[in-house]
Amino acid sequence: AQSVTQLGSHVSVSEGALVLLRCNYSSSVPPYLFWYVQYPNQGLQLLLKYTSAATLVKGINGFEAEFKKSETSFHLTKPSAHMSDAAEYFCAVSDNQGGKLIFGQGTELSVKP
Amino acid sequence: GAVVSQHPSRVICKSGTSVKIECRSLDFQATTMFWYRQFPKQSLMLMATSNEGSKATYEQGVEKDKFLINHASLTLSTLTVTSAHPEDSSFYICSATGGDSHQVSGANVLTFGAGSRLTVL
Repeated sequence: AQSVTQLGSHVSVSEGALVLLRCNYSSSVPPYLFWYVQYPNQGLQLLLKYTSAATLVKGINGFEAEFKKSETSFHLTKPSAHMSDAAEYFCAVSDNQGGKLIFGQGTELSVKP
Repeated sequence: GAVVSQHPSRVICKSGTSVKIECRSLDFQATTMFWYRQFPKQSLMLMATSNEGSKATYEQGVEKDKFLINHASLTLSTLTVTSAHPEDSSFYICSATGGDSHQVSGANVLTFGAGSRLTVL
């Protein structure tokens, strides 16, 4: 069985500050891990994914995430927040790249001017 | 790139009626499609997995007679909410993959639709 826990349902940062969104996973098989962003009333956009290659994964819009097996974590970071980053972020786990995803609860990111 | 279209994007219906939502892969053949449901301010919950030409596999707790899923072709899956009630009001999102036949850089592509918001009065 697989599961994902996102710590913090809401994160608020100032524009230009570091963004850190936390994700911990549980998986009985080597996991595939994903971060998605969702803007209001829209579908999901893939930010990045871990597929057992490099542990540090770079995504779109300046985001990156590091897979740490020892900590079962896949936290999402961005060095400098932009107002346009305000959205809902979901971490997800799967047992393959094209299979069903198990989503975390989501973290709403607010960016203050 | 891979594009998945959902229609309608918004639908309002009366209680007791049935509503059909379509999910189409526009530029690839989707061997598998997934249907998710999202309540306001909540996460996405997988409802079912559908493979072309076979019956859908429903997640535990999802009523298969309530949420009818059809995947009759490699480019179209439909979700029909039968005898809809206000508690069925939600955001429904599909995703599709072409499996081994549709890969980018050796990786299976999983693409999400933009979602369909259902409001049952």
